[in-house]
This record gives sequence, C-alpha cells and structure tokens, in this order.
Amino acid sequence: QVQLQESGPGLVKPSETLSLTCTVSGDSISSYYWSWIRQPPGKGLEWIGYIYYSGSTNYNPSLKSRVTISVDTSKNQFSLKLTSMTAADTAVYFCARAKEMGWFDPWGQGTLVTVSS
Amino acid sequence: SYELTQPPSVSVSPGQTARITCSGDALPKQYAYWYQQKPGQAPVLVIYKDTERPSGIPERFSGSSSGTTVTLTISGVQAEDEADYYCQSADSSDTFHVLFGGGTKLTVL
Repeated sequence: QVQLQESGPGLVKPSETLSLTCTVSGDSISSYYWSWIRQPPGKGLEWIGYIYYSGSTNYNPSLKSRVTISVDTSKNQFSLKLTSMTAADTAVYFCARAKEMGWFDPWGQGTLVTVSS
Repeated sequence: SYELTQPPSVSVSPGQTARITCSGDALPKQYAYWYQQKPGQAPVLVIYKDTERPSGIPERFSGSSSGTTVTLTISGVQAEDEADYYCQSADSSDTFHVLFGGGTKLTVL
C-alpha cells in the first residue's frame, strides 16, 4: 500500500526558507499528482500546491510568490520550498497523493514546523 | 474566488444520524470530497466525487449533492465517529486551485 513520509526541520527562523521532502513508498511517483497541504495549530486545512511527475505545478494563489514544489523521480520523492517564513507559517505540513487533481488519498502523517527565532 | 462554508459544530447522540453541510458556488461545477480528521492524525478520505465511498470506509458514511450544497451523512453514529470533518472542492473560475471548508467538529453526546 502507498505510504508517504514527510521529513525536514521542525524549527525555522523568521525570514528563512523552509525545505521539506516527502518520500513515497509502495507506488511510483511517476503517476498521479502529488501535493502539499498545511494546517496551523487548532485551525483548518490549507492547500499549498500540486506537482505532476512531469514537473508541471499548480500553486495556491495566496502562496504562489513564495512556493516551489519539485519532484525527483529517481528517489521517488517530491519537495516543498517556502521562502520568507513568518510565524503565520507555523503549521503541520502534510504531503498527499492527489488523484485526478481531485481528492487526496493517502496522506503522510504530517510534520510540525515552527517559525521562531 | 469561491469559498466553502461549513457549520463549526454538529452534535448528535449515538445511533442517530449526523448531517454535515458544505456550501459554495463552486460546488455545482466541481466534485466535493470529505475527510475525517481525529486529533493528532492526518485526514482520511471518507467520500469522493460527491457520493463515492472509498474501500474500507463504513457504509454508514454517505454523501449527497444538491446545487450549491453538499452533505455528508453519517447514519447510526458511533462514538468513534467523533472527529473534525472537512469538505474539499476546487475553484476553476480563474486558475485551478483547491478549496477546503473550514471544518466541522462532530461531537457524539
């Protein structure tokens, strides 16, 4: 069965760039779309963006100027970079498989990223 | 741009039927999806394409759609169904992007 695992730093300083990686096992990344979604503590879900294995991307307009999602098919991984981090970016970051640019299933367990000096 | 609106909370007694609504102008044009999220866990898909139930999801979970409102119905609610529920759809009015509702806390009394 497909499993996704996020990895990256749990603490980022203000103004710095967040880098997270999602490792996919049990399925080839060279199919479907893959996505990042985040959830601030105690709040709802916010979609960050998609990537297709070919490298084509689609981002949340509210984050587009700060987001880059990339894919490494040789490692079966995709990654998120979010620049100019502020306290408002503190959240649990999830990676997920996106089917038909529609629904997300499954999700990774999520990783908490805190922005603090 | 579009938004999805959910009630913040719904409460039901065990064995009763819970209905959670999600409203938005995007819904007649795009499918809706529903997720269940328990504390400290990742969301789990419970309904896709308005009415379809993934394998492994109990039959008591069902979805329906009418105009600008979609509804998640949980029949015969059990204590284990207490969770946050999120609807999701898409806004294709300008550039395609994903929308999530604000979430509904289901409390089993």
